[in-house]
Amino acid sequence: QVQLVQSGSELKKPGASVKVSCKTSGYSFISYAMNWVRQAPGQGLEWMGWINTNTGNPTYAQGFTGRFVLSLDISVSTAYLQISPLKAEDTAVYYCARIAREGAIDYWGQGTLVTVSS
Amino acid sequence: DLQMTQSPSSLSASVGDRVTITCRASQDISNYLAWYQQKPGKVPKLLIYTASTLQSGVPSRFSGSGSGTDFTLTISSLQPEDVATYYCQKYNSAPRTFGQGTKVEIK
Repeated sequence: QVQLVQSGSELKKPGASVKVSCKTSGYSFISYAMNWVRQAPGQGLEWMGWINTNTGNPTYAQGFTGRFVLSLDISVSTAYLQISPLKAEDTAVYYCARIAREGAIDYWGQGTLVTVSS
Repeated sequence: DLQMTQSPSSLSASVGDRVTITCRASQDISNYLAWYQQKPGKVPKLLIYTASTLQSGVPSRFSGSGSGTDFTLTISSLQPEDVATYYCQKYNSAPRTFGQGTKVEIK
């Protein structure tokens, strides 16, 4: 069965960096692109960007350029989100989410809570 | 950038009521529209894609309609387990923007 398993919660100080992993199984990793979605505490879903798992080419939403990097390791069927340097307003749950062939999101990771606090 | 505007932002209805949520795109997105349900503390779940196609396993009381700029999610008979926040998302092109969400509660 399709699974997206994300790395665990992180507590970081402002200015530090974090790398969230999203390990996939149960399907051909390079056949489906991957979204990343942010949800700040008590807020809605915010689309951050997506990465083409065939080419490794990322596309970022406005507001997620510069400090945010999407990457892949195809050898272990894993997608990554790195944020550096972290700011307090980056405190949120981050989801990886598979893009189905027709374009909607059909599978989500369980979410990774990143807390940025001094 | 294209905006996705949902209304209402919240609603309260009785069990068995018909509930309608609207999503409006600021530009034509054809039928590249999905609806998701997020229960408190849970991961979002796909309900509907291509504006009106029900995802496998989703109860038939959920339906979607619309095309172009105006879309609707309807719950034909609200059930207690439908308490959640519902989001639309456009996916014809980047950015794949979400609506701001509609919180559905039981009266």
